[in-house]
Amino acid sequence: AIQMTQSPSSLSASVGDRVTITCRASQGIRNDLGWYQQKPGKAPKLLIYAASSLQSGVPSRFSGSGSGTDFTLTISSLQPEDFATYYCLQDYNYPRTFGQGTKLEIK
Amino acid sequence: QLQLQESGPGLVKPSETLSLTCTVSGGSISSSSYYWGWIRQPPGKGLEWIGSIYYSGSTYYNPSLKSRVTISVDTSKNQFSLKLSSVTAADTAVYYCAREEGLGELSWGQGTLVTVSS
Repeated sequence: AIQMTQSPSSLSASVGDRVTITCRASQGIRNDLGWYQQKPGKAPKLLIYAASSLQSGVPSRFSGSGSGTDFTLTISSLQPEDFATYYCLQDYNYPRTFGQGTKLEIK
Repeated sequence: QLQLQESGPGLVKPSETLSLTCTVSGGSISSSSYYWGWIRQPPGKGLEWIGSIYYSGSTYYNPSLKSRVTISVDTSKNQFSLKLSSVTAADTAVYYCAREEGLGELSWGQGTLVTVSS
C-alpha cells in the first residue's frame, strides 16, 4: 500500500499567516491527490483535486502543488474559518490511503 | 445534485456484524464512471478507507480489514452496503459513504456514528 506521510501533524498560526502542509507519497502517484478540510462533527470537504485544481466554491487563498511523490497545500492568508484539520488522499491505486492529518490551531 | 445518505444501527454489540447502507440520490450508482466507497473515522482520529465497489460488483478492500468486510451493491435501489463482522470497540467510528470521482476527489455522505458496546 502507498503510504502518505503528512506533515506537520499540528500547526499553530495566526490570522493572516501563510501556511504550508505537505504530503509525501511512498511511491509516485502522478497527480492523483486531493486535499480535504474537516471541521468537528462534519464530513471532510474537498478543497483541491488533481493535486492543484481548486474545487468550485473554495476560496482562492487555498492552493495545491506537486506531482509524483511530493505535494503541498498552501493557505496564503489564514482566515478564522480555516482553523480545522486537513487531510490528503491518494487515489492512484487501491488501497486508497489518507495522510495522518494536520490540525491547524489558532496561535 | 448528488446526495449520499448512510443508514443503519447506531449501536452494535461486540462480536456481532455491523451493517450499513448508503442510499444515493441525484445520480445513478450504475454510472460507469465511478467507484463507491466506505471510509471511517474513530473518535478523535484520522480517516481510514475501508473499501470500494463498482456497480458491476467488483470490489477492493483495505487489507487490514479484508477478512471481516463485505461491500455489496443493489443497483435496483441505487444503494450499496457495508458489512463488518466480529466487531470490537476498536470499530467504533463515524462511517462515511462516498463516490470516488478520481484525481483525489470524493463526494461524501454526512456520516453516521456506530458505537460498539454491550
